[in-house]
Amino acid sequence: DTGVSQDPRHKITKRGQNVTFRCDPISEHNRLYWYRQTLGQGPEFLTYFQNEAQLEKSRLLSDRFSAERPKGSFSTLEIQRTEQGDSAMYLCASSPQRAGLAGKEQFFGPGTRLTVL
Amino acid sequence: TQLLEQSPQFLSIQEGENLTVYCNSSSVFSSLQWYRQEPGEGPVLLVTVVTGGEVKKLKRLTFQFGDARKDSSLHITAAQPGDTGLYLCAATTDSWGKFQFGAGTQVVVTP
Repeated sequence: DTGVSQDPRHKITKRGQNVTFRCDPISEHNRLYWYRQTLGQGPEFLTYFQNEAQLEKSRLLSDRFSAERPKGSFSTLEIQRTEQGDSAMYLCASSPQRAGLAGKEQFFGPGTRLTVL
Repeated sequence: TQLLEQSPQFLSIQEGENLTVYCNSSSVFSSLQWYRQEPGEGPVLLVTVVTGGEVKKLKRLTFQFGDARKDSSLHITAAQPGDTGLYLCAATTDSWGKFQFGAGTQVVVTP
């Protein structure tokens, strides 16, 4: 395991369809984060998990968005009834829950580029 | 309103020149990270700073955390085309679990 992986890398869908993305964090990391990034902007926080518990959700995360991390390992992000405004790069990151410097760093996957037509 | 303000938004320089980008906030952070991101990829962590006044060097890159832990700078010496990318700062506090990002500085280094 050399890093965070995300699948798929690209997704094109029609408005109104549901999509699901998967993130596999670095194996010993118990914190997992989801971000959304649009062109020319920094990543915007969506939600994060500590093990299987979802500890915080951004107001950006409407009712159409749901994230899970059922066994504290991989996570899924589902968007229902997609809208054109959902088009963005969806990034996943993980970090260890440790004292000191290591616990303050997060490592990103390559992202999933979503295009809603 | 962005919690972390990055400046400039865009910087275009010639190979061999120096550059500095800034990350400012009115909030105090327990740590601040700098990332570089290339098109179509996720951000790659460059450095984490945690102590006020801290200076870290990574080859031609020098990172400084402000004394009050509210701001940071990234200085690149003798920039190369491979330094081209979106430079992002992110920060967190001890009471947060999450990280907040700035909007980024797009750096273009031309040969």
